[in-house]
Amino acid sequence: QKEVEQDPGPLSVPEGAIVSLNCTYSNSAFQYFMWYRQYSRKGPELLMYTYSSGNKEDGRFTAQVDKSSKYISLFIRDSQPSDSATYLCAMSQGTSGSRLTFGEGTQLTVNP
Amino acid sequence: DTEVTQTPKHLVMGMTNKKSLKCEQHMGHRAMYWYKQKAKKPPELMFVYSYEKLSINESVPSRFSPECPNSSLLNLHLHALQPEDSALYLCASSQDSGPGAQYFGPGTRLLVL
Repeated sequence: QKEVEQDPGPLSVPEGAIVSLNCTYSNSAFQYFMWYRQYSRKGPELLMYTYSSGNKEDGRFTAQVDKSSKYISLFIRDSQPSDSATYLCAMSQGTSGSRLTFGEGTQLTVNP
Repeated sequence: DTEVTQTPKHLVMGMTNKKSLKCEQHMGHRAMYWYKQKAKKPPELMFVYSYEKLSINESVPSRFSPECPNSSLLNLHLHALQPEDSALYLCASSQDSGPGAQYFGPGTRLLVL
């Protein structure tokens, strides 16, 4: 069983929809949680990172962490065609210099 | 500024060639990373440098040789690669404290013939 599970999709939604992306994990030692967006043939771009359980909001993006359920989510409001990309969840046990464990990535397409 | 730069953007090399990938960051980050990414897969960690010292080597074949000349630069020397080494090579960096969120560069797309 993988330490981090992420539905690979693909996920296709109409413009303006609310998108929910999810990851579950099995290792309770994970303390830091990140979401990356990766456009085709580009490097991953850090969208959100968080430490504690709860919500963190940044513009149209909300990251949610539930450590008791070992479940993290990324919500995208008012989705735009420019949001079409692969979204990767990532988590680590420690601080800087620690390895990240990635989910497999969810491919999202937002249709105009 | 959260920019990590990588050169070259693309590289084609034969199995007998020697080449180097370069990565640079000016964010004052003290941890730097090399990843390999195959199509439709997440990045796979290769090496971690912390305060310019190699701290993690994920059992990478010796045909890949990392080097950290100073706190802003990271190199990956390539020698006698195989076609299966063709991939996107990503560099990342993170602060020396805090949650360690990693900032990635655009990558070098490598093709080994």
